[in-house]
Amino acid sequence: NAGVTQTPKFRILKIGQSMTLQCAQDMNHNYMYWYRQDPGMGLKLIYYSVGAGITDKGEVPNGYNVSRSTTEDFPLRLELAAPSQTSVYFCASSNTGGAGDTQYFGPGTRLTVL
Amino acid sequence: AQRVTQPEKLLSVFKGAPVELKCNYSYSGSPELFWYVQYSRQRLQLLLRHISRESIKGFTADLNKGETSFHLKKPFAQEEDSAMYYCALSVSSNTGKLIFGQGTTLQVKP
Repeated sequence: NAGVTQTPKFRILKIGQSMTLQCAQDMNHNYMYWYRQDPGMGLKLIYYSVGAGITDKGEVPNGYNVSRSTTEDFPLRLELAAPSQTSVYFCASSNTGGAGDTQYFGPGTRLTVL
Repeated sequence: AQRVTQPEKLLSVFKGAPVELKCNYSYSGSPELFWYVQYSRQRLQLLLRHISRESIKGFTADLNKGETSFHLKKPFAQEEDSAMYYCALSVSSNTGKLIFGQGTTLQVKP
């Protein structure tokens, strides 16, 4: 099992460019999450999904879009990159979404917007 | 407001010393709390959760509802405990949404 995988590992974007951060999991988990981690700020939830075709906003969704066409994949789209989106992005998945359920994290994508 | 606070950005101790990483939360419902850990060059992973009342790698955490705290403790720190530790609060019983604290870097010196 690869668990949760993310690509790319690093990316530098210019202001106004677009990109998609890829996330995939092979654990057949229904629940998937995107977080961003700014220095000294902890992780903040951007979007989440409770199953294929179902997504919802988290704490900081502005400037991002997601889709969930399959159980395995949960890509995060940045349409018009801004310096404020410079961050480390983590994708995670969980099995049941219950209050005590474990989230499994990917290795992260470090994004710089210049 | 739903909030998790970890007041220390950095905690530095010597090997063999006791460790306490502080976590305070604000939540109107019945809290479910976690500690996640990120070792150097590894991904973020679950260390322990309140609901399981477990001890992992010698760490324990007790939920104190009166003080709204979930401090992480270990009686004798080891160098391999050096890592970033995050306290997290579950804010939904059916979506798994978590709120994370800012994180505390634990540095265990030889």
